[in-house]
Amino acid sequence: NAGVTQTPKFQVLKTGQSMTLQCAQDMNHEYMSWYRQDPGMGLRLIHYSVGAGITDQGEVPNGYNVSRSTTEDFPLRLLSAAPSQTSVYFCASSPNRGSSYEQYFGPGTRLTVT
Amino acid sequence: AQSVAQPEDQVNVAEGNPLTVKCTYSVSGNPYLFWYVQYPNRGLQFLLKYITGDNLVKGSYGFEAEFNKSQTSFHLKKPSALVSDSALYFCAVRSPDNFNKFYFGSGTKLNVKP
Repeated sequence: NAGVTQTPKFQVLKTGQSMTLQCAQDMNHEYMSWYRQDPGMGLRLIHYSVGAGITDQGEVPNGYNVSRSTTEDFPLRLLSAAPSQTSVYFCASSPNRGSSYEQYFGPGTRLTVT
Repeated sequence: AQSVAQPEDQVNVAEGNPLTVKCTYSVSGNPYLFWYVQYPNRGLQFLLKYITGDNLVKGSYGFEAEFNKSQTSFHLKKPSALVSDSALYFCAVRSPDNFNKFYFGSGTKLNVKP
């Protein structure tokens, strides 16, 4: 199993550009989520999904869109990048058969918006 | 509102000495608590969790954590620190009100000196 994979590893965008961060998992996990990590602020939940076709907002959803058409993939779209979106982005997944399950994290995407 | 606090930005300890990384939480109901570790330029790795039962839980790499309901704490401990334990540690809680949301602390950088 590859676990949770994310592409790209690094990305530089100009203000106003759009892009999609890719996330995939091969563990057949129902639950997937996106976080951003900023210094001194820990991880903050952007969006999450409990299964194909079902998504919901986390703490900081503004400026980001998600969709879940398959169990495996959960892309994160930045519609119009802003410098405030400079961050490290992590995707995670877990089984959703019970709330006791921990999450498995991808390696992250470091995004810089100039 | 659910929240997790890690009161120390950094903890310094000498190799061979015991270490403690502190975490307190604020949730309604019974929490599910987790510890993760992050090495430089890597994703988060799961260390251990408290769901129910014995207040002392053991995890990976010799780490353990003690759940204290009256003090709403879940401190991470290790009897004898290794230089290789140096990393960023995150405490997280899964909300009993909404099991689909995890809340993370701001992280504590552990430095273990030879």
